[in-house]
Amino acid sequence: NAGVTQTPKFQVLKTGQSMTLQCAQDMNHNSMYWYRQDPGMGLRLIYYSASEGTTDKGEVPNGYNVSRLNKREFSLRLESAAPSQTSVYFCASSEEDKNIQYFGAGTRLSVL
Amino acid sequence: DQQVKQNSPSLSVQEGRISILNCDYTNSMFDYFLWYKKYPAEGPTFLISISSIKDKNEDGRFTVFLNKSAKHLSLHIVPSQPGDSAVYFCAASELNNDMRFGAGTRLTVKP
Repeated sequence: NAGVTQTPKFQVLKTGQSMTLQCAQDMNHNSMYWYRQDPGMGLRLIYYSASEGTTDKGEVPNGYNVSRLNKREFSLRLESAAPSQTSVYFCASSEEDKNIQYFGAGTRLSVL
Repeated sequence: DQQVKQNSPSLSVQEGRISILNCDYTNSMFDYFLWYKKYPAEGPTFLISISSIKDKNEDGRFTVFLNKSAKHLSLHIVPSQPGDSAVYFCAASELNNDMRFGAGTRLTVKP
């Protein structure tokens, strides 16, 4: 029972490079989320998707795009990475919007 | 603006004693509160929650207390065990709005 799976676990980028963080859940949840966690701060919501086909901005969306590919998958794209995007990124899912969320193990991203 | 604050970055307690983790919030519209636990190299996992219509919720060794007038909630762990050593995040949400997380408190339970 995998739950929420994120790939990759680690990534190093150079400033200006692009990449996509992948997230998949096998719990048949409607809602999915992308957060970033920085030292001394709580998790901050980047984007979320309340259901397949919909996406909405969270607290810190600038510099990111998302795609809800289907009910299982929700990807986060950095088009032109910046050092300020160095962070740990967590994907989460829940049965309904704002319900208890289940998290993946995270992707640690460094932008040089 | 940090709407959910955990003012203690770390806490150390002896095995068998009580651990009390605290959380303060500023938004009086929050109506649902949660605690998550996080081990290194893992994602946060849900621990316990409480609705704003209650002032206490208990689940085994874990109890969450909510004081709405003080905008304060706490997590009590009794008795504390070494396996409880982790980072604990407090979170709060308002109907139809995003969940906000505190910065976390690192709990160390010494044998």
